[in-house]
Amino acid sequence: AQSVTQPDIHITVSEGASLELRCNYSYGATPYLFWYVQSPGQGLQLLLKYFSGDTLVQGIKGFEAEFKRSQSSFNLRKPSVHWSDAAEYFCAVGLKTSYDKVIFGPGTSLSVIP
Amino acid sequence: NAGVMQNPRHLVRRRGQEARLRCSPMKGHSHVYWYRQLPEEGLKFMVYLQKENIIDESGMPKERFSAEFPKEGPSILRIQQVVRGDSAAYFCASSPISRAGNTIYFGEGSWLTVV
Repeated sequence: AQSVTQPDIHITVSEGASLELRCNYSYGATPYLFWYVQSPGQGLQLLLKYFSGDTLVQGIKGFEAEFKRSQSSFNLRKPSVHWSDAAEYFCAVGLKTSYDKVIFGPGTSLSVIP
Repeated sequence: NAGVMQNPRHLVRRRGQEARLRCSPMKGHSHVYWYRQLPEEGLKFMVYLQKENIIDESGMPKERFSAEFPKEGPSILRIQQVVRGDSAAYFCASSPISRAGNTIYFGEGSWLTVV
């Protein structure tokens, strides 16, 4: 069965420090991959997506993610975290069905220390 | 260019009442998805609909939950005889065509509280 895991439930970093959020997936083929961010009480905003091609993907707000097929991973990175980045981050897998079925990971909560 | 619109944003219901959540997809989108987010959990797929058709309802609870997307008007997620465990955020998303590889766009969510 398809699944997405995010090993870190909660991460705390200092403002200005680098960030890496981990994501692993289980799927029989190369999926479409997404990272979404959710602020408290808000909807989901798409940070970036990977469909094909270059495995290093640039997104909004200075985020990037790298698809590693051998590790079934799609980790999210940011070189310098800002206090406004504190939020819940969801990795998601888009299945290659006839439509856009997306499976979400459980999320990683990010706290930023001033 | 309005995004996915959901209403109400917040809904409080007593146990046993009905909850109706509405979703208007983005302009030009004819495919709607409903997801549920329980407290401290990620989003779980519930149902995928096209106009007047339910395509995949594999994530819908067998009882009390139903969804529709009529030819005219918004998509409706209906929960009958709500229980405390139905308290969650319900998110709607839409995409333009039926082809894997689209980005789906989410609404702001509807937060249901059952008291």
